[in-house]
Amino acid sequence: DVKVTQSSRYLVKRTGEKVFLECVQDMDHENMFWYRQDPGLGLRLIYFSYDVKMKEKGDIPEGYSVSREKKERFSLILESASTNQTSMYLCASSLSRGARMGQFFGPGTRLTVL
Amino acid sequence: SQQGEEDPQALSIQEGENATMNCSYKTSINNLQWYRQNSGRGLVHLILIRSNEREKHSGRLRVTLDTSKKSSSLLITASRAADTASYFCATDASGGATNKLIFGTGTLLAVQP
Repeated sequence: DVKVTQSSRYLVKRTGEKVFLECVQDMDHENMFWYRQDPGLGLRLIYFSYDVKMKEKGDIPEGYSVSREKKERFSLILESASTNQTSMYLCASSLSRGARMGQFFGPGTRLTVL
Repeated sequence: SQQGEEDPQALSIQEGENATMNCSYKTSINNLQWYRQNSGRGLVHLILIRSNEREKHSGRLRVTLDTSKKSSSLLITASRAADTASYFCATDASGGATNKLIFGTGTLLAVQP
């Protein structure tokens, strides 16, 4: 079974802190994604990566950056956390030609910024 | 840019009844996928239907796609309390290898025992 893990289930940070969210997948997937999920807004794509060191902006990249130095790991960075970044963050991965299997999601990190 | 919009936003039914959720989208797609999310957890892929397909079945799930109306429906037959979850449609318009998806806002399904 594909496994996508995220470094924390719950995280509390203060405004202005630098925050790192880590995601690791164990199935050699080329594609990795970071979403945030807010009530009434569904999932919104922040960034995605289709190869090591490659990244593309999603729909809401402002205030975020990402890093993919190794194929299995995709990090989301909040350079200076703000209260409006309080949200559930979901990581996902998929095969490059594996549309039929869809995306595989991690359990999510619920981030609270005080 | 929200591609998929689900209807209804919330649905409550009795165990054994069928549940139908609808999804509308705005642009041409390669495929449409349905996902399930249990409370506070990650999403799980349920089923994918390609743009040249009209209907797909998987166990108690039936998905239809009408590309002329840009809409899809998910039917769960003989529902169980364990089906209680949020259901999301997601469209893939990437046309390439990225499998980039745009998700709808979801339908919250409650199945009463």
